Amino acid sequence: DAGVTQSPTHLIKTRGQQVTLRCSPISGHKSVSWYQQVLGQGPQFIFQYYEKEERGRGNFPDRFSARQFPNYSSELNVNALLLGDSALYLCASSLVGGEDQPQHFGDGTRLSIL
Amino acid sequence: GQSLEQPSEVTAVEGAIVQINCTYQTSGFYGLSWYQQHDGGAPTFLSYNALDGLEETGRFSSFLSRSDSYGYLLLQELQMKDSASYFCAVRESGQAGTALIFGKGTTLSVSS
Repeated sequence: DAGVTQSPTHLIKTRGQQVTLRCSPISGHKSVSWYQQVLGQGPQFIFQYYEKEERGRGNFPDRFSARQFPNYSSELNVNALLLGDSALYLCASSLVGGEDQPQHFGDGTRLSIL
Repeated sequence: GQSLEQPSEVTAVEGAIVQINCTYQTSGFYGLSWYQQHDGGAPTFLSYNALDGLEETGRFSSFLSRSDSYGYLLLQELQMKDSASYFCAVRESGQAGTALIFGKGTTLSVSS
């Protein structure tokens, strides 16, 4: 079975632009979470969606938004990009939204802001 | 708020045993998870402890003491492929589901 897939793998943008990152969860997984990981740090939680509804939001500005589609895939949008948004963006899926559910991560999208 | 502390680096040789400690401060505790991440790769789930005690999965074991707000990951019979970053994580208080707060990670270097 395919794991969590993310696209694109790499992306270069300039300040002020907008970006959309995509994630397809493991088949049968209904929960998708997004994380930002800057170099040398652990992943930082951005959003969680379960059954197409937002279940959690981390401490990120309103420039960050996300949604989940009926097929459980998800998109993360970031507007008005800043240099500090340069990071690895990780998507993770799990069967349900419970805290004991292991999260399965994709390889991420590496976003570079010039 | 919630915070997790773990050593930034650990070095060891092949065949050895290494322990990576994690202390946490949370406003509500639901369990401690461990993830492994190789350079340029995706974090991979290793273990989850909700109750006190030791959980063993092959060469890896994880321990939790809720009263001490402390846990550790024990790696035995180290192999070169175990060189990676290891993160402890707890669920974010107030959030439903699986939103996790990660520590800054421990870089494990295994040499021959």
